[in-house]
Amino acid sequence: DTGVSQDPRHKITKRGQNVTFRCDPISEHNRLYWYRQTLGQGPEFLTYFQNEAQLEKSRLLSDRFSAERPKGSFSTLEIQRTEQGDSAMYLCASSSQGVRTDTQYFGPGTRLTVL
Amino acid sequence: AQTVTQSQPEMSVQEAETVTLSCTYDTSENNYYLFWYKQPPSRQMILVIRQEAYKQQNATENRFSVNFQKAAKSFSLKISDSQLGDTAMYFCAFISTIMYSGGGADGLTFGKGTHLIIQP
Repeated sequence: DTGVSQDPRHKITKRGQNVTFRCDPISEHNRLYWYRQTLGQGPEFLTYFQNEAQLEKSRLLSDRFSAERPKGSFSTLEIQRTEQGDSAMYLCASSSQGVRTDTQYFGPGTRLTVL
Repeated sequence: AQTVTQSQPEMSVQEAETVTLSCTYDTSENNYYLFWYKQPPSRQMILVIRQEAYKQQNATENRFSVNFQKAAKSFSLKISDSQLGDTAMYFCAFISTIMYSGGGADGLTFGKGTHLIIQP
């Protein structure tokens, strides 16, 4: 059983560029979450999918951020016109609906550096 | 909105000692789950232990146990016989069960973490 995977692991970009991250959840998990973690802080919730439907978005998710989960499998998180304040670790997690549904398993994260 | 507070930014103990990490939370809800996650340096977040709020019995997982005090909204983690590999950031996290009733979800709410260092 493979865990949650994320690609790329590191991304360096210049301010104003667009970036896209990918997350592949655990195969039987129908729920997928994105979080952002800045240095010295705990992760902060960004958005959540159940299957292909995006059910919740945090106020942290500005209009420059968009997430998709076509066909309820992998998900992408795109940041347009990146700013230096977007520099952070972007974490993806997945969980399954059913008994003990609430346990989220995390991927290794994508570290974004905006120059 | 829920909040999670970890009042110990850093702790250091000797190998084989027992250490307790504190966590308090604030919520108006009655049904929720609490978690401790471990994040080793440059490695991914790993679930340590979980607790359902409706259960009075404290959860245990091998050397890890919790002291869950619902009325006090306290959820501490005890690590017995600490090992060098326990060195990591430890995060306490909360999630409401409302999401599982179709009421929407805010995801996990995390504390700021406690950096635990196990000294040889």
